[in-house]
Amino acid sequence: ETGVTQTPRHLVMGMTNKKSLKCEQHLGHNAMYWYKQSAKKPLELMFVYNFKEQTENNSVPSRFSPECPNSSHLFLHLHTLQPEDSALYLCASSQVSGSPYNEQFFGPGTRLTVL
Amino acid sequence: DAKTTQPPSMDCAEGRAANLPCNHSTISGNEYVYWYRQIHSQGPQYIIHGLKNNETNEMASLIITEDRKSSTLILPHATLRDTAVYYCIVRSHTSGTYKYIFGTGTRLKVLA
Repeated sequence: ETGVTQTPRHLVMGMTNKKSLKCEQHLGHNAMYWYKQSAKKPLELMFVYNFKEQTENNSVPSRFSPECPNSSHLFLHLHTLQPEDSALYLCASSQVSGSPYNEQFFGPGTRLTVL
Repeated sequence: DAKTTQPPSMDCAEGRAANLPCNHSTISGNEYVYWYRQIHSQGPQYIIHGLKNNETNEMASLIITEDRKSSTLILPHATLRDTAVYYCIVRSHTSGTYKYIFGTGTRLKVLA
């Protein structure tokens, strides 16, 4: 257990559905991240939040909408996804991302399948 | 793009040391080298990081060359549970944010 939890662990959705992924960290960190890992591709950073403020959006399509209501919780709202969005979505947290010692702690991920 | 290159795969006998190389020839003076591993379909797990000195913790040792253009992660006594994909990452700093750019990593298989 890394102190970062993600729900659900598995999600199957149609292209017209709306769903949300949830991440919670119990480590007292102030930075949270969303990554996408597609089959046979490296992890791709999607979003970065520091102290609830979004500091990085890595050219992610608007059908992915993040929300960070406080430093412990991070959501990824999904709507009108495409089959190519099927992937493992990973959440991570760290001390403030500007710290020299900001090893990231990852959750177990949500395996998303878009039909 | 990732600033590191790693061999795609390696095998290691159980109980022997696993030495995983990484090239990062374009690393800047204040950029750290981080190592993570990912066991099948789980989230990546932090192993170790360093700037220019060699580092050791309970999991592994990190050897960084004097010119900082390459490094080696050493698992001193590999076990079957060390089978995973190992990522060497140079943490970059852009627009006031530190972030990792993951490459494709090295798939280490520990053999019984």
